[in-house]
Amino acid sequence: NAGVTQTPKFQVLKTGQSMTLQCAQDMNHNSMYWYRQDPGMGLRLIYYSASEGTTDKGEVPNGYNVSRLNKREFSLRLESAAPSQTSVYFCASSVDTPGTGELFFGEGSRLTVL
Amino acid sequence: EDKVVQSPLSLVVHEGDTVTLNCSYEVTNFRSLLWYKQEKKAPTFLFMLTSSGIEKKSGRLSSILDKKELFSILNITATQTGDSAIYLCAVERNNDMRFGAGTRLTVKP
Repeated sequence: NAGVTQTPKFQVLKTGQSMTLQCAQDMNHNSMYWYRQDPGMGLRLIYYSASEGTTDKGEVPNGYNVSRLNKREFSLRLESAAPSQTSVYFCASSVDTPGTGELFFGEGSRLTVL
Repeated sequence: EDKVVQSPLSLVVHEGDTVTLNCSYEVTNFRSLLWYKQEKKAPTFLFMLTSSGIEKKSGRLSSILDKKELFSILNITATQTGDSAIYLCAVERNNDMRFGAGTRLTVKP
């Protein structure tokens, strides 16, 4: 009964380093999302995937890339990390197409870029 | 530009108090409004509202949507320390969900 699983939970990077956040869901959901959460800003959508093989930009995509590896997995990559990317990142999934129902969230990944 | 605004940003009450959290929105292609509770980690779903004037209720929590005036409220009666959390409002549009900044509720014993 894992739901949405994200790794790693914590990461510290130096400016310019790269890393990938991994996300997997076991609920057979079609849509998956990456959000970032900053104090006073709420959750902001980085990228989403409405189905395997498709990805679309959200509100704040600059500096990020994503891959929908299969129906279960959706990864977020920072190619050259910047201090402005210090944030808590949440992966989420939903049963159907984006904008049609409840999101199920992972527990978050706290990233610090020095 | 689409926006979702929550108020107040933070609130401190004592156990037993009743609180009202507000969410106003201006979005194109509105589908529904959702409320989430976020304690230490992942947001968890509370309510989904699609029709005006129909109250959703779960225990001490209730919520209602006004699609004419473009807002929703979340009420919590007889608050408990376990209600301390960030409450997030989100509006579903075509293809995504836009979140407000959240209201941080602190309930003191």
